[in-house]
Amino acid sequence: SQTIHQWPATLVQPVGSPLSLECTVEGTSNPNLYWYRQAAGRGLQLLFYSVGIGQISSEVPQNLSASRPQDRQFILSSKKLLLSDSGFYLCAWSVEAYNEQFFGPGTRLTVL
Amino acid sequence: KNEVEQSPQNLTAQEGEFITINCSYSVGISALHWLQQHPGGGIVSLFMLSSGKKKHGRLIATINIQEKHSSLHITASHPRDSAVYICAVRVQGGSEKLVFGKGTKLTVNP
Repeated sequence: SQTIHQWPATLVQPVGSPLSLECTVEGTSNPNLYWYRQAAGRGLQLLFYSVGIGQISSEVPQNLSASRPQDRQFILSSKKLLLSDSGFYLCAWSVEAYNEQFFGPGTRLTVL
Repeated sequence: KNEVEQSPQNLTAQEGEFITINCSYSVGISALHWLQQHPGGGIVSLFMLSSGKKKHGRLIATINIQEKHSSLHITASHPRDSAVYICAVRVQGGSEKLVFGKGTKLTVNP
């Protein structure tokens, strides 16, 4: 069966520090991968999606970046965090475009 | 105005009641998703539908493409149904993008 992992589960970081959130999927090959952010009082927002290794599409211009170094690994990064980067970050995968998406447990990031 | 609007924002019910959560959207879509977010934050996909009606246990989802409206119904509600229910639409046109509503927070009291 397929599983999706995210870590860390929670993170408190000072403004200006770097960020690296990791997501891995098991039990499937060549998944579509997604990073979402849920800010307080707002709906989920798609940040990045990837249809293959090294292929990243950005939905929202900001100080975050994403990379997919391996087929089932998706990393969200920042060189310098802002207060506005606080939120709940969710990774998701789907078998193909237009299919149901399966979400990871999420990472709660607080930037102080 | 958001492309996806949900109502109500908050809903409190007594155990056993029939629940309806509504979702309206203003764009052309290829599919609509209903998701459940538990208090800890984890999200579970409940339904993906593009027409008609789907049923899973006590949950029923319907969609009316012409009216750009979907409903999620919960029959015989239970306290364990307490969660945030999120509607999301896949925008027509080949994009991977899902556009999400802000969610409906449901509390079912025993």
